[in-house]
Amino acid sequence: DGGITQSPKYLFRKEGQNVTLSCEQNLNHDAMYWYRQDPGQGLRLIYYSQIVNDFQKGDIAEGYSVSREKKESFPLTVTSAQKNPTAFYLCASSIDRGAGGPEETQYFGPGTRLLVL
Amino acid sequence: ELKVEQNPLFLSMQEGKNYTIYCNYSTTSDRLYWYRQDPGKSLESLFVLLSNGAVKQEGRLMASLDTKARLSTLHITAAVHDLSATYFCAVDRLDYGGATNKLIFGTGTLLAVQP
Repeated sequence: DGGITQSPKYLFRKEGQNVTLSCEQNLNHDAMYWYRQDPGQGLRLIYYSQIVNDFQKGDIAEGYSVSREKKESFPLTVTSAQKNPTAFYLCASSIDRGAGGPEETQYFGPGTRLLVL
Repeated sequence: ELKVEQNPLFLSMQEGKNYTIYCNYSTTSDRLYWYRQDPGKSLESLFVLLSNGAVKQEGRLMASLDTKARLSTLHITAAVHDLSATYFCAVDRLDYGGATNKLIFGTGTLLAVQP
């Protein structure tokens, strides 16, 4: 079964600690994305990557870092510089732009809920 | 800067009734997506609208796109309880090369269908 997996489902962070959220996809998608969702709000783009070894900042990248060493994996690190990290984090993937058609939508993982202790 | 607004933000409707959710956006784009989110869950893709005048239908839901008015609608026909969820529209930020796949999401419409 093709899909996107995220782990852990819940993550607790202590003040000053860096934590890493995992995202893996076996859809053979080139592009991957990280979003943050706060209660009662829409999603905001943190980082995205269109190809291995390349990634760009989204709208709210401060306090976050990513890597893209493999096509299947796009981990997100929430650093201690992120002062308000409590949120629902969603990873997504898609084929790269331009192909057109329904397959060009973004497919989302199940999410990781991050809470601060 | 691209902004996406949905209305209403909350919609309580009775089973069997019809209603429309509106999605307005502020700058040019011809790529718009609708997603559904159940409480505590991830997002599920509903519709991909890739040109002016595009109309897609699936079951009791129909989505359309008017790029000149910068407006998309999600129409619900004869609502049933299973449609209760939060619905998001998302618009692709275009650049000189066309689509970027960098989406701006609306704040969502929470739909509650009452028996």
